[in-house]
Amino acid sequence: DIQMTQSPSTLSASIGDRVTITCRASQSISTWLAWYQQKPGKAPRLLIYKSSNLVNEVPSRFSGSGSGTEFTLTISSLQPDDFATYYCQEYNNYSSWTFGPGTKVEIK
Amino acid sequence: EVHLVESGGGLVQPGGSLRLSCAASGFTFSSYWMFWVRQAPGKGPEYVANINQDGSERNYVDSVKGRFTVSRDNAANSVFLQMNSLRAEDTALYYCAILRGGNFWGQGTLITVSS
Repeated sequence: DIQMTQSPSTLSASIGDRVTITCRASQSISTWLAWYQQKPGKAPRLLIYKSSNLVNEVPSRFSGSGSGTEFTLTISSLQPDDFATYYCQEYNNYSSWTFGPGTKVEIK
Repeated sequence: EVHLVESGGGLVQPGGSLRLSCAASGFTFSSYWMFWVRQAPGKGPEYVANINQDGSERNYVDSVKGRFTVSRDNAANSVFLQMNSLRAEDTALYYCAILRGGNFWGQGTLITVSS
């Protein structure tokens, strides 16, 4: 089974900061990686699919990159609405849809 | 507009069974893989199971294999999760979702396994 790790687990940042979250897969998943944002009491919201494709209506300050086993989510200028927990998720095949453990972005 | 509405959650004793249902509307249900994802309190999401469009292919996370069964009824636009031999570690909010060809989630139904 594919294992996913994320770093850091918690990130303290200020409004306007550039923020980068890293996700690593235990084996190559090509670009079959998604990023989600989750706020308390809500279902996860898809931000990025296939490593770097931004979902419609997601602000352009979000971007994703990577392939193989290492991926990043970048928020170019952190906004108040961005304080949340972020999860990566691999979908290399239909029998494996593993989520990472999450990165909580907190106000500094 | 896509709607996914889960039901069937509740409190169950260890070793017990529950059947979750998910009623879908607003899209061509029979054209999509359907997924169950759970989230334990304070934890991240965990994929549980999925089923293809005609029900001929089903996949499960290792921790539920042999205990959970996913099924669907395309005529009723519904997907189900039969959960047997429930354990404390199955306690979670269970979401019905589309994760391929779109990304939509229900509001979830809470399962608590406790004596």
